[in-house]
Amino acid sequence: SQQGEEDPQALSIQEGENATMNCSYKTSINNLQWYRQNSGRGLVHLILIRSNEREKHSGRLRVTLDTSKKSSSLLITASRAADTASYFCITDSWGKLQFGAGTQVVVTP
Amino acid sequence: ETGVTQTPRHLVMGMTNKKSLKCEQHLGHNAMYWYKQSAKKPLELMFVYNFKEQTENNSVPSRFSPECPNSSHLFLHLHTLQPEDSALYLCASSQDADIQYFGAGTRLSVL
Repeated sequence: SQQGEEDPQALSIQEGENATMNCSYKTSINNLQWYRQNSGRGLVHLILIRSNEREKHSGRLRVTLDTSKKSSSLLITASRAADTASYFCITDSWGKLQFGAGTQVVVTP
Repeated sequence: ETGVTQTPRHLVMGMTNKKSLKCEQHLGHNAMYWYKQSAKKPLELMFVYNFKEQTENNSVPSRFSPECPNSSHLFLHLHTLQPEDSALYLCASSQDADIQYFGAGTRLSVL
């Protein structure tokens, strides 16, 4: 069933710009993960943030988690054409995994 | 390369056929998963195996039959599928239900 809901559904930006997408969820979680999927391929793990963490960085990626608002954001800085993909959040509620429909990001040169 | 291999990559089958999807992980993980991904819909978790035991079956129709002979291999046996079963089927593995490593998927078309 769908818990994580990504917003926006689609995002189109130019190279060099930042891309921000959000994920909202309904029930308490112990961690939230962001994944990337290139067209027709499997998902690739980007970042895992635990419920007691508020922010994590990995390269050009920055993830925040606000458990009071039950939301998370993924920021991609200085985007590149290779960042074109769909981005998903997956919430883990003590072994119960739930997913959103994803944000489709297109980065044009 | 994620360490999770799915075969075949593409499969076309008729509604009366029987086929199997295969997943193999070389990561030493103890959990394996089958997912269905249809266009513009959230990822659907189908089955979860922990230490070869099925721990989750999300109301999947019986025409999908999983098999996990050991912790490295997972199969999805398909029988009398419907056109609406056409989708990308993804396999994943994890250690202790943590970060999941996905295969590239099998694109299934049911005619």
